[in-house]
Amino acid sequence: EDQVTQSPEALRLQEGESSSLNCSYTVSGLRGLFWYRQDPGKGPEFLFTLYSAGEEKEKERLKATLTKKESFLHITAPKPEDSATYLCAVQARDSSYKLIFGSGTRLLVRP
Amino acid sequence: SAVISQKPSRDICQRGTSLTIQCQVDSQVTMMFWYRQQPGQSLTLIATANQGSEATYESGFVIDKFPISRPNLTFSTLTVSNMSPEDSSIYLCSVERGLSYNEQFFGPGTRLTVL
Repeated sequence: EDQVTQSPEALRLQEGESSSLNCSYTVSGLRGLFWYRQDPGKGPEFLFTLYSAGEEKEKERLKATLTKKESFLHITAPKPEDSATYLCAVQARDSSYKLIFGSGTRLLVRP
Repeated sequence: SAVISQKPSRDICQRGTSLTIQCQVDSQVTMMFWYRQQPGQSLTLIATANQGSEATYESGFVIDKFPISRPNLTFSTLTVSNMSPEDSSIYLCSVERGLSYNEQFFGPGTRLTVL
């Protein structure tokens, strides 16, 4: 069964304190791994798609990496406005384009 | 990316009634999806809606409870029928876009409370 596990559930950082969020997955053939940011009361905002092990993508203070079993979202020198829930999802290489989501990591960055 | 709007943004409904949620996209898309996000939980796919064909439902979701329409390539509706308090959730539509056509963008969601 395809599955996504994110850790930690919650993370508190001081402004400028870099850290990483983890997304472990099992999937029967990976088409893509997706990272989203979700603010309270809003829909998920697309950040990255990673397709193969070794791939990396960056956007401002965020960098996503992918291995055959997990993905990391590295946050460098975070700011309070980076506070949000970060969601990871996988898409299997079958006839469906379904996204299977993890439960998310709630990030709080204190000034 | 894609600009996606949903109506209503929120609603409070009585048990036993039905609510239809609309999803409008700013350009034509082949695949549209409906997800549910229950309080404190992550997103679960309800169904995939393709224009010109019946929606495809995930395990645990049935057409009688969640009928879906897809009349054209920019619009879809999801109806939550015969509602109970357990249906209180955020309902989100998403579309498949991007250079490789495997990036999904989400609408703002509809927050439903059933009393």
